[in-house]
Amino acid sequence: QVTLKESGPVLVKPTETLTLTCTVSGFSLSNARMGVSWIRQPPGKALEWLAHIFSNDEKSYSTSLKSRLTISKDTSKSQVVLTMTNMDPVDTATYYCARIERVCSSTSCYYWFDPWGQGTLVTVSS
Amino acid sequence: QTVVTQEPSFSVSPGGTVTLTCGLSSGSVSTSYYPSWYQQTPGQAPRTLIYSTNTRSSGVPDRFSGSILGNKAALTITGAQADDESDYYCVLYMGSGILVFGGGTKLTVL
Repeated sequence: QVTLKESGPVLVKPTETLTLTCTVSGFSLSNARMGVSWIRQPPGKALEWLAHIFSNDEKSYSTSLKSRLTISKDTSKSQVVLTMTNMDPVDTATYYCARIERVCSSTSCYYWFDPWGQGTLVTVSS
Repeated sequence: QTVVTQEPSFSVSPGGTVTLTCGLSSGSVSTSYYPSWYQQTPGQAPRTLIYSTNTRSSGVPDRFSGSILGNKAALTITGAQADDESDYYCVLYMGSGILVFGGGTKLTVL
């Protein structure tokens, strides 16, 4: 059974750096076809993809947040870490990690998220 | 920046059929965007329904189907049930590893 679990602070202050950890089980972060994505959802609003990382350390970031995000992994611990700098109250959201699967042909790849973690609510407030 | 568009809300009668769409603020959605669809009920994590336009995720009933209709991706639900009442999100692949969510559609079954 594949599971993902997010952990990190419940409350951060404006300008601080957020560090979230996703611990996975049921699959390996060394699997070339699978990686981990971070997605967030402000209260009452839509989902927003943030970043993902694959076994070969290939990383992608949201265009609008790229300057503030860093994603990394520790395969031996089955963990993926997301840091987001300069937190602001508008970054208050539930942060989800999800397994991202990738299938590539000679010309392109496609991706999907499955399954998802339960999410962790992060509030940004002084 | 290209925005992924979805109907903000939709309603369907129990037993009815509804088609939700996923478009682009500029341009047409094709299979090359590899659309995927996710269902989210309040307070819960999303559940994967469809990926690569029309491939159902494991365990998803065949009442849910994906396609390209005209210039948009589409999610069709047939035989709507009360527990289909949820928010539905599409995701499009923009290339270079970039994925973008739509704004979501709130589906009411009544």
